[in-house]
Amino acid sequence: DVKVTQSSRYLVKRTGEKVFLECVQDMDHENMFWYRQDPGLGLRLIYFSYDVKMKEKGDIPEGYSVSREKKERFSLILESASTNQTSMYLCASRPDRVETQYFGPGTRLLVL
Amino acid sequence: SQQGEEDPQALSIQEGENATMNCSYKTSINNLQWYRQNSGRGLVHLILIRSNEREKHSGRLRVTLDTSKKSSSLLITASRAADTASYFCATDKRGSSNTGKLIFGQGTTLQVKP
Repeated sequence: DVKVTQSSRYLVKRTGEKVFLECVQDMDHENMFWYRQDPGLGLRLIYFSYDVKMKEKGDIPEGYSVSREKKERFSLILESASTNQTSMYLCASRPDRVETQYFGPGTRLLVL
Repeated sequence: SQQGEEDPQALSIQEGENATMNCSYKTSINNLQWYRQNSGRGLVHLILIRSNEREKHSGRLRVTLDTSKKSSSLLITASRAADTASYFCATDKRGSSNTGKLIFGQGTTLQVKP
């Protein structure tokens, strides 16, 4: 079974802090994604990566950056957390030539 | 912008009844997928239907796709309390490179009462 893990289930941070959210997948998938999920807005794509060190902006990249130094790990970075970044963050991965995405359990981030 | 819009936003039924939820989208697609999310958890893939397919079945799930109306429906037959979850449609836009970017709808929250 594909396993996608996220470093924390719940996280509380202060405004202005630098926040790292980590995602690891164990199935050698080429593609990895970061979404945020907010009530009434569904899932929105922040960034995705199709290979090591490769990244592309999604629909809402402002205020975020990403890092993919190893194939199995995709990190989302909030350079200076703000209250409007309070949300559920979901990581997903997908192998090439397969359309299905495999999701991690999510990290619920609260920025105070 | 949201590609998919789902209807209804919330649905409450009794165990044993069928549940139908609908998804509309705006652009031409390669495929449409349905995912389920249990409360506070990640999404789980349920079923994928390609743009040249009209209907697909998987267990108690039946998905239809009408590309002329740009809409899809998910039917869950003989529902169980364990089907209580949110259901999302996701589309893969035709013509996009093979990045696998999906655009998700806002979801339908289904409650199945025992």
